[in-house]
Amino acid sequence: GQQVMQIPQYQHVQEGEDFTTYCNSSTTLSNIQWYKQRPGGHPVFLIQLVKSGEVKKQKRLTFQFGEAKKNSSLHITATQTTDVGTYFCAGFFGNEKLTFGTGTRLTIIP
Amino acid sequence: DAGITQSPRHKVTETGTPVTLRCHQTENHRYMYWYRQDPGHGLRLIHYSYGVKDTDKGEVSDGYSVSRSKTEDFLLTLESATSSQTSVYFCAIRRVGDTEAFFGQGTRLTVV
Repeated sequence: GQQVMQIPQYQHVQEGEDFTTYCNSSTTLSNIQWYKQRPGGHPVFLIQLVKSGEVKKQKRLTFQFGEAKKNSSLHITATQTTDVGTYFCAGFFGNEKLTFGTGTRLTIIP
Repeated sequence: DAGITQSPRHKVTETGTPVTLRCHQTENHRYMYWYRQDPGHGLRLIHYSYGVKDTDKGEVSDGYSVSRSKTEDFLLTLESATSSQTSVYFCAIRRVGDTEAFFGQGTRLTVV
């Protein structure tokens, strides 16, 4: 079936270290989105990438969409305690079926 | 935050009983989704709706049914709850032409 996998499932980093999560789709995507879920909260939209090879930045966060539009990555530079949470990528399979990845839970060690 | 409300927020029910979760929106968005979240599985799509009375299955639809008789309400029913349906359930809405989804606060369901 249509799948979106993310690695790693968990990541523990010291505060100030960098963090990267990778997202891979079983099929080519028209666009990819990233969401963040704080502990005990609900997913919140961060950004959308549409073009092959696209790179977008939000302060310390860098998002990249692969050339084949089947993979993506989120990189956080110099993590802070506010970065704690689970990060999900998501894509559309068909026009309406919004499918989420398995998520990467980030824990920060102060 | 988008006007989306899930009810109840918490529920404990017994195996074999029917359960209905409600998602209510005030945004008049066309698309509505039900997901379940379990450790190691991320957010898995159960059912979604692309309009009143228009619904389709997601990847984990077995044991679940949905109904959307009004734009603002999307109901998820577990006809006969099982322990494997213990989970956190999220509803999401999306506007036509947009890709961003807005989530409700979630419903924590425990089946004992």
